[in-house]
Amino acid sequence: GEDVEQSLFLSVREGDSSVINCTYTDSSSTYLYWYKQEPGAGLQLLTYIFSNMDMKQDQRLTVLLNKKDKHLSLRIADTQTGDSAIYFCAESKGLMNNNAGNMLTFGGGTRLMVKP
Amino acid sequence: KAGVTQTPRYLIKTRGQQVTLSCSPISGHRSVSWYQQTPGQGLQFLFEYFSETQRNKGNFPGRFSGRQFSNSRSEMNVSTLELGDSALYLCASSLGQSSYEQYFGPGTRLTVT
Repeated sequence: GEDVEQSLFLSVREGDSSVINCTYTDSSSTYLYWYKQEPGAGLQLLTYIFSNMDMKQDQRLTVLLNKKDKHLSLRIADTQTGDSAIYFCAESKGLMNNNAGNMLTFGGGTRLMVKP
Repeated sequence: KAGVTQTPRYLIKTRGQQVTLSCSPISGHRSVSWYQQTPGQGLQFLFEYFSETQRNKGNFPGRFSGRQFSNSRSEMNVSTLELGDSALYLCASSLGQSSYEQYFGPGTRLTVT
């Protein structure tokens, strides 16, 4: 079955790096995503990684994928108070299984609190 | 380019009523997916439409239905509302059949009393 899990909470100091972790069970996942949700808002696509990659960097964000362990992480460098939000990890099988379409399976979200 | 828009943003309904929510995808996007977000169950997939056809459906009762129009705009309908239907309903749009970038709207907050 499909399951995506994340720790519930992470607290860091402004300027430090944050690392948010995610594990998934379905080895047929083709794309893995990180979304950010601020209070009262929708989901903002931060970054994504294809399953044949092991790392992707985009400005302050670094995504690491360990496909063998089915482990995904998001590192935010120089974390700012504006980064305080809930971060969701999600997976899709779209390209490998066209019947899955664009369906995303989400983790429960990690609340990141950044202290000044 | 305008983002995904959802209307209305907030809605209060009474048990037993029905409700229709609307989603306009990003211009040029042909796939629209709907998700329900609640504190207890998190984000759950409802259904996906592509070119006016439902391609995928999540594990929700038949009271939840949707449709997509020729301009790719989508509506979802919930009939015979229950208290447990109170949630944030999010719509996501993507370019095609298997697109790796999906963009979400701000959501419609539905409260059932």
